Amino acid sequence: DAGVIQSPRHEVTEMGQEVTLRCKPISGHNSLFWYRQTMMRGLELLIYFNNNVPIDDSGMPEDRFSAKMPNASFSTLKIQPSEPRDSAVYFCASSLVSGEYEQYFGPGTRLTVT
Amino acid sequence: AQSVTQLGSHVSVSEGALVLLRCNYSSSVPPYLFWYVQYPNQGLQLLLKYTSAATLVKGINGFEAEFKKSETSFHLTKPSAHMSDAAEYFCAVSKQRTRQLTFGSGTQLTVLP
Repeated sequence: DAGVIQSPRHEVTEMGQEVTLRCKPISGHNSLFWYRQTMMRGLELLIYFNNNVPIDDSGMPEDRFSAKMPNASFSTLKIQPSEPRDSAVYFCASSLVSGEYEQYFGPGTRLTVT
Repeated sequence: AQSVTQLGSHVSVSEGALVLLRCNYSSSVPPYLFWYVQYPNQGLQLLLKYTSAATLVKGINGFEAEFKKSETSFHLTKPSAHMSDAAEYFCAVSKQRTRQLTFGSGTQLTVLP
């Protein structure tokens, strides 16, 4: 079975540019989570969706960040405009709403903003 | 709100020695608890989970953890460390009625030859 798929795996961009990160959850999973991992702050939950509906976006750091889930098999996290402090590894994870809460993580996107 | 504390950001053990990674949680309701492992440049992989069934939980790669309510702990152990166990380990807690996991700060495990 394919796990959570994220693209791109690496992204290098200049400050001020728009960045879009993509995620395909495991087929049949109906909860999706976006995390950010940095050395300073560890793993932070940015936003999560149940059945394509955003449930909690309190972790989104600023209005520059936005996330969408137009259907059950695709989600995007967009940063516009990007800043150097956004440099981090961004993970997507999915789980079953009816399951035992374990989340399955993608390989992550390493974002570098210069 | 629930929280997790991992004692020791770095732990070193010799190959073949016991591995003990500590995790204490805080939760106002019975928690679900998880251990994840992260190898370099990879995502997090679920090692094991506690969801209010047996208090001693066995996971992959020979790891196990014991839920102790009186001590609010969920320590991860493995009887004999292998070089391939070198990675970062995260403890996480979830409330029973939400989907969110709160992660600890992680423990980097080094296995010495």
